[in-house]
Amino acid sequence: AQKITQTQPGMFVQEKEAVTLDCTYDTSDPSYGLFWYKQPSSGEMIFLIYQGSYDQQNATEGRYSLNFQKARKSANLVISASQLGDSAMYFCAMSAMDSSYKLIFGSGTRLLVRP
Amino acid sequence: GAVVSQHPSWVICKSGTSVKIECRSLDFQATTMFWYRQFPKQSLMLMATSNEGSKATYEQGVEKDKFLINHASLTLSTLTVTSAHPEDSSFYICSATQNRNSPLHFGNGTRLTVT
Repeated sequence: AQKITQTQPGMFVQEKEAVTLDCTYDTSDPSYGLFWYKQPSSGEMIFLIYQGSYDQQNATEGRYSLNFQKARKSANLVISASQLGDSAMYFCAMSAMDSSYKLIFGSGTRLLVRP
Repeated sequence: GAVVSQHPSWVICKSGTSVKIECRSLDFQATTMFWYRQFPKQSLMLMATSNEGSKATYEQGVEKDKFLINHASLTLSTLTVTSAHPEDSSFYICSATQNRNSPLHFGNGTRLTVT
C-alpha cells in the first residue's frame, strides 16, 4: 500500500526567505509520481510541481523546487523567496503509474508567510 | 492550460434530499476522473475513480449506493449524494487528467451543507 507522510502541520516563514516543506512516502511500486499542490483558503487545488520516480534531476518550476531523495523516500518542496500569497495549505501526493493514476494525499502543511 | 469546471461551488440542502455535483473537463477529454472528499482542516480522501462508459471504482468504506457516480461522456462526470444527511456535509472536489504523463487538474470544489 502507498502512504504519504507530512510531519509538519504548520510552518512559518519570513517574507523573501526560503522554506522547505517535508514529505516522505512509502510504496512498493517501482514506478510512481510525486506531486505538490497548493490549496488556498478558497479551496481550489493548484498544481505546483511534479517528479517522476525515474527522473534523474530534481524538478523545478519557478520558485518551486522538489528535493527528491529516492533512497530516503523523501520529496521535499522548497519555496524560494517566499511571498505573502504563498500562505496556504500545501499537500504532497503520490500516484502509482498504473492505469488508474489516482493520487494519494498527505495530511498537509499550513504555511504562513510573515511580512 | 487544462481546465476542470465543477458545479455548483456550494449547495445547501435538507436532510433526505439528493444533490448532484457536476465535473467537466473544458478543454480536454478525460477518460478518468476522480472524486475526493475533504473535511475541514483535513486532507483529501479519494472516494472513487470514475471511468467513462463503465462503472466507477469505489475506495474501501465509500458507499456506492449513497454516492452515485456517472461518467457519461469524456468531458463530464457527476456525483450524486443520495438521501443526504448532516454527516455528508463536506467539501467535494473532482479531478481529471488527460493522460498518464499529465498532472491531475482539479475543479474548484463544491461545499455541501446538509441541514
